[in-house]
Amino acid sequence: AQSVTQPDIHITVSEGASLELRCNYSYGATPYLFWYVQSPGQGLQLLLKYFSGDTLVQGIKGFEAEFKRSQSSFNLRKPSVHWSDAAEYFCAVVGNNAGNMLTFGGGTRLMVKP
Amino acid sequence: KAGVTQTPRYLIKTRGQQVTLSCSPISGHRSVSWYQQTPGQGLQFLFEYFSETQRNKGNFPGRFSGRQFSNSRSEMNVSTLELGDSALYLCASSQASTGTEAFFGQGTRLTVV
Repeated sequence: AQSVTQPDIHITVSEGASLELRCNYSYGATPYLFWYVQSPGQGLQLLLKYFSGDTLVQGIKGFEAEFKRSQSSFNLRKPSVHWSDAAEYFCAVVGNNAGNMLTFGGGTRLMVKP
Repeated sequence: KAGVTQTPRYLIKTRGQQVTLSCSPISGHRSVSWYQQTPGQGLQFLFEYFSETQRNKGNFPGRFSGRQFSNSRSEMNVSTLELGDSALYLCASSQASTGTEAFFGQGTRLTVV
């Protein structure tokens, strides 16, 4: 069965500092990969996605992610964090034969220090 | 284009009752998926409908059911509510049968007392 691991439950960074959120997946083939962000009490907003092609993908709000097949990873990065980035971030995968069924990681809660 | 709309936003029910949640997908989207989010279990897949057919189902008891109508709107029903069913229920719509991103609604917060 496929699984997604986000090793960091909580991360605190200072405003203006760089950010990297880790995501590892377990799946037989390369799945479709996503990062979502959730503000408290809200739904999920798609930050970016990887289906194929260039392994470095750009998303909204200045986020990017790099797919590394050899490490089964899809880490999310941002060069300079803003206070408004404080939220929970979820990595998710969809298997190639799984329709649109998303498997989510446990999430990483990001706090931003002024 | 309007986003995914879920109604109601908040709901309080008593143990043993049943509840129906509604989801209107983005216009033109034919796939609707439902997820349960709790602090302890995180985000868990409930089921997915595409063109009125259930394609995938998560590991939930039969008390959880759903359906999709010809206009792609979807409902999920939970019967004989338990305290543990308290959660944020999220609906997501996708344009195609696979290989496209899912867009989420704001969710329905269900509290069972």
